[in-house]
Amino acid sequence: EPEVTQTPSHQVTQMGQEVILRCVPISNHLYFYWYRQILGQKVEFLVSFYNNEISEKSEIFDDQFSVERPDGSNFTLKIRSTKLEDSAMYFCASSEGQAWDGYTFGSGTRLTVV
Amino acid sequence: GENVEQHPSTLSVQEGDSAVIKCTYSDSASNYFPWYKQELGKGPQLIIDIRSNVGEKKDQRIAVTLNKTAKHFSLHITETQPEDSAVYFCAAQRSGYSTLTFGKGTMLLVSP
Repeated sequence: EPEVTQTPSHQVTQMGQEVILRCVPISNHLYFYWYRQILGQKVEFLVSFYNNEISEKSEIFDDQFSVERPDGSNFTLKIRSTKLEDSAMYFCASSEGQAWDGYTFGSGTRLTVV
Repeated sequence: GENVEQHPSTLSVQEGDSAVIKCTYSDSASNYFPWYKQELGKGPQLIIDIRSNVGEKKDQRIAVTLNKTAKHFSLHITETQPEDSAVYFCAAQRSGYSTLTFGKGTMLLVSP
């Protein structure tokens, strides 16, 4: 069964450092997403990406965040200057079309900012 | 924007019992309601979903019901098994948007 692959599985970084979280969506999917889950809390939407541009973003997705599809397979989330409150599990997801076409999540990257 | 409330936050049942998890949503324009199961250390996995043009959908031991008038939907798991133990999330999607709004999750514990 096709999977969304995320690397690394766990990243520890110093406050103020830049991090890049990587994702390989399912190959025939057209919509890509980043969500995050702070420990014990709900899964929160960050950003969606379609046709090489951001289609929607939440209030959380401020200027310190950016996304990129640098080639035909990878989808990255960059956090420019990490803060302690950025510590969370970050999930990448992809879908062929709208959510009801099948929304597949990766296993996540646990980001710890110290 | 959309707001999804989910209850209970934890649910403990004996193996073989039924489990029911309930969610409410605020935006009447929402028209797609998936349920996800999240096991420890893994990403959410879609287990069942329902669109607003139907009131109920069943898949073996799992069923989902939707009441559009009251803006609530529920997950029903019958004959629970220990491997059903996980965190379950409901979500809603507003018409015209591709993103999902999630509930806070329910930790289901099934004791043998």
